[in-house]
Amino acid sequence: QVQLQQSGAELAKPGTSVKLSCKASGYTFTSYYIYWVKQRPGQGLEWIGYIYPGNGGTYYSEKFKGKATFTADTSSSTAYMLLGSLTPEDSAYYFCARPEYRYNPTLAYWGQGTLVTVSS
Amino acid sequence: DIQMTQSPPVLSASVGDRVTLSCKASQNINKNLDWYQQKHGEAPKLLIYYTNNLQTGIPSRFSGSGSGTDYTLTISSLQPEDVATYYCYQYNSGLTFGSGTKLEIK
Repeated sequence: QVQLQQSGAELAKPGTSVKLSCKASGYTFTSYYIYWVKQRPGQGLEWIGYIYPGNGGTYYSEKFKGKATFTADTSSSTAYMLLGSLTPEDSAYYFCARPEYRYNPTLAYWGQGTLVTVSS
Repeated sequence: DIQMTQSPPVLSASVGDRVTLSCKASQNINKNLDWYQQKHGEAPKLLIYYTNNLQTGIPSRFSGSGSGTDYTLTISSLQPEDVATYYCYQYNSGLTFGSGTKLEIK
């Protein structure tokens, strides 16, 4: 079965970076996009962007250009998101998700989320 | 960017009630809309895709409808386990989540 296992909670200082991981299993990693979604505590969902591990192609929401960088390691079936120049506004849960079908953005599978806390 | 407005922000209803949640897009999204359920402390879960298609394993009391700019999620008989926040999500042009409707039991 499809599973997305995300890395553990992070506590980071303002101005630093964190790299979150999303390990996929149960399917061919290179055949499906991985999406990333942000959720501040008590707030709604916000789309960050996606990566296609098959060729490393990425797309970012305008708001997150320069903030987030996606990579993928096909040897370990793991997608990564680097968040840079952290501020308290980056404190949030971050989810990775996979579509049901290869070229459709319906997000049928989700990781459990990673909490990032930015504090001095 | 397409804006998605959900109403009401909070809905309180009794067990067994028929419940209707609304999602309005700022422009025509051609039925390219999903509904997600998020329970407290959990990841979102896909309920309905492409406006009115029930995801595998989702109870049949959930249904979706709509076209153009106006979409609806209906729960035919509210159950205690349906307490959650519900989000609509459009993918017709870019990707946008609605602001959510928090559903509570009265």
